[in-house]
Amino acid sequence: KAGVTQTPRYLIKTRGQQVTLSCSPISGHRSVSWYQQTPGQGLQFLFEYFSETQRNKGNFPGRFSGRQFSNSRSEMNVSTLELGDSALYLCASAPGGMNTEAFFGQGTRLTVV
Amino acid sequence: GEDVEQSLFLSVREGDSSVINCTYTDSSSTYLYWYKQEPGAGLQLLTYIFSNMDMKQDQRLTVLLNKKDKHLSLRIADTQTGDSAIYFCAESRYSSASKIIFGSGTRLSIRP
Repeated sequence: KAGVTQTPRYLIKTRGQQVTLSCSPISGHRSVSWYQQTPGQGLQFLFEYFSETQRNKGNFPGRFSGRQFSNSRSEMNVSTLELGDSALYLCASAPGGMNTEAFFGQGTRLTVV
Repeated sequence: GEDVEQSLFLSVREGDSSVINCTYTDSSSTYLYWYKQEPGAGLQLLTYIFSNMDMKQDQRLTVLLNKKDKHLSLRIADTQTGDSAIYFCAESRYSSASKIIFGSGTRLSIRP
């Protein structure tokens, strides 16, 4: 069974640009959650998508957005990038029911210069 | 708000048991997790426990939960060099991977 796939693995962007990250969950999983990991703030929840709808949201500004497609693949977009957006962005895939075994991808490391 | 706290570092001798401790504040936590992160890698779910359980054992891993004190611990028996990693304690009210609150992580290093 293939794991959670995040693309790209590494990305360098310039301040003010926008970026889109992609996450393909495990086949059959309907829930995709996104997390930001930084040395200063640790791991913080961004949002969760389930069946193409945002089900939960963390405390991030509106520059951070996401969506989920009918095949459960999810994208995360960050507009008007700031230096502080440099982080490892992790995606987690889960069946979406009461099963709590969520699986994380390897992450996308975004560097904003 | 919700908070999860754990010590930053732990050093143990190879072959000994490692015990990583964690406290959390949210009394509504339903799911309590331990994740492992190796350098340059994502998060690996090691084990989880429901808040109505006291203990869970899975091979070399034992999780103990004291709900009254909101204290969670992870014991790794016969610690090996491959166990070197950062271990995150986490909690959530929700199933799936939604709104998980993570601790800052405990870096486990193994001495020969």
